[in-house]
Amino acid sequence: GQNIDQPTEMTATEGAIVQINCTYQTSGFNGLFWYQQHAGEAPTFLSYNVLDGLEEKGRFSSFLSRSKGYSYLLLKELQMKDSASYLCAVDNTDKLIFGTGTRLQVFP
Amino acid sequence: KAGVTQTPRYLIKTRGQQVTLSCSPISGHRSVSWYQQTPGQGLQFLFEYFSETQRNKGNFPGRFSGRQFSNSRSEMNVSTLELGDSALYLCASSLNAAGNEQFFGPGTRLTVL
Repeated sequence: GQNIDQPTEMTATEGAIVQINCTYQTSGFNGLFWYQQHAGEAPTFLSYNVLDGLEEKGRFSSFLSRSKGYSYLLLKELQMKDSASYLCAVDNTDKLIFGTGTRLQVFP
Repeated sequence: KAGVTQTPRYLIKTRGQQVTLSCSPISGHRSVSWYQQTPGQGLQFLFEYFSETQRNKGNFPGRFSGRQFSNSRSEMNVSTLELGDSALYLCASSLNAAGNEQFFGPGTRLTVL
């Protein structure tokens, strides 16, 4: 079957660093997406990993290990506006399979 | 460049009714995917259309159907509504394939009473 696991909730303080993990077991794999979704809004694209390793984009970085079926999203210098849900999604060849998302709350 | 638009934004229906939701993708995008989002299940893939053909389908009953028009606009229909169909329905468009980066619309919030 298809399985993508993420923690349900995380909390962190402003200025800190937080790592959101995602493990997956899918029948196919072309790559892995991270999306951010603020409450009541549409998901927006953050990153896409195809090869193993770390992709850095400003305060956000995403890591992939295909052999371990594992990815993480690293958020640095947290800001209040980073409070949102973070969705991990596997490109399963012909469709995206999403995890249930991790709700991150950033406190002052 | 205009983003993905969905209409209506909010909808209230009663059990047994049917509903049609509309999605206009980003200009030039040919793939449109539909998702159901609920608090407990996250985003669940419904189906994907490309060039007016359904290319992929998720594990939803036949009450859920869709179509795509020649201008890439898509509609989804849910017949014989059930309480459990209450959800946010998101449409996403991508250039060619569902595996490409997808751009989401704001969603249609459906409440079934």
